[in-house]
Amino acid sequence: AQSVSQHNHHVILSEAASLELGCNYSYGGTVNLFWYVQYPGQHLQLLLKYFSGDPLVKGIKGFEAEFIKSKFSFNLRKPSVQWSDTAEYFCAVNAPGTYKYIFGTGTRLKVLA
Amino acid sequence: SQTIHQWPATLVQPVGSPLSLECTVEGTSNPNLYWYRQAAGRGLQLLFYSVGIGQISSEVPQNLSASRPQDRQFILSSKKLLLSDSGFYLCAGRRQSGISGANVLTFGAGSRLTVL
Repeated sequence: AQSVSQHNHHVILSEAASLELGCNYSYGGTVNLFWYVQYPGQHLQLLLKYFSGDPLVKGIKGFEAEFIKSKFSFNLRKPSVQWSDTAEYFCAVNAPGTYKYIFGTGTRLKVLA
Repeated sequence: SQTIHQWPATLVQPVGSPLSLECTVEGTSNPNLYWYRQAAGRGLQLLFYSVGIGQISSEVPQNLSASRPQDRQFILSSKKLLLSDSGFYLCAGRRQSGISGANVLTFGAGSRLTVL
């Protein structure tokens, strides 16, 4: 069965600091990978996705993620965070051709102005 | 684009009462539909998914059930609520393969249920 681990549950950073949120998945086959973000008071929205090809994917608002197949990882990065990046971030995995999307437990990011 | 509508947004119900949360989809036909429960520190737990009218797959044995009476309607129900059913329930949809935006889940705004 697929599973997703997000080891950082709470992260506090100052503005302009660099961000890296960890995501590891458990599945032996091909995967689609996602990062979703939930800003305070708003619904979940897609930040970026990886289906195939270049393992470094870029999303909205300056975020990027790198798929490292050998490490079963899909870490989210941003070189310089802003106060407006305060949100909860979820990593998710889906096996192509299947219906299930499995989410991690989420990471709450707080950016101090 | 696909839009997911959920209601009610908030609901307070006594233990033992019935529940009905509704989700409707706009902007696509024959979507795959999902119910998730979001709990603090536990992420999103997949409860049910549906690939078509009347087709429901249950992921977690529990006090809840789901139905899909129409192509764009997905309902989460309970006959008798328990305290442990309190939570934030999210409906999500996925477009069919081959359509722009397929394989990506779109979420509704959620329904917050408090059972007293």
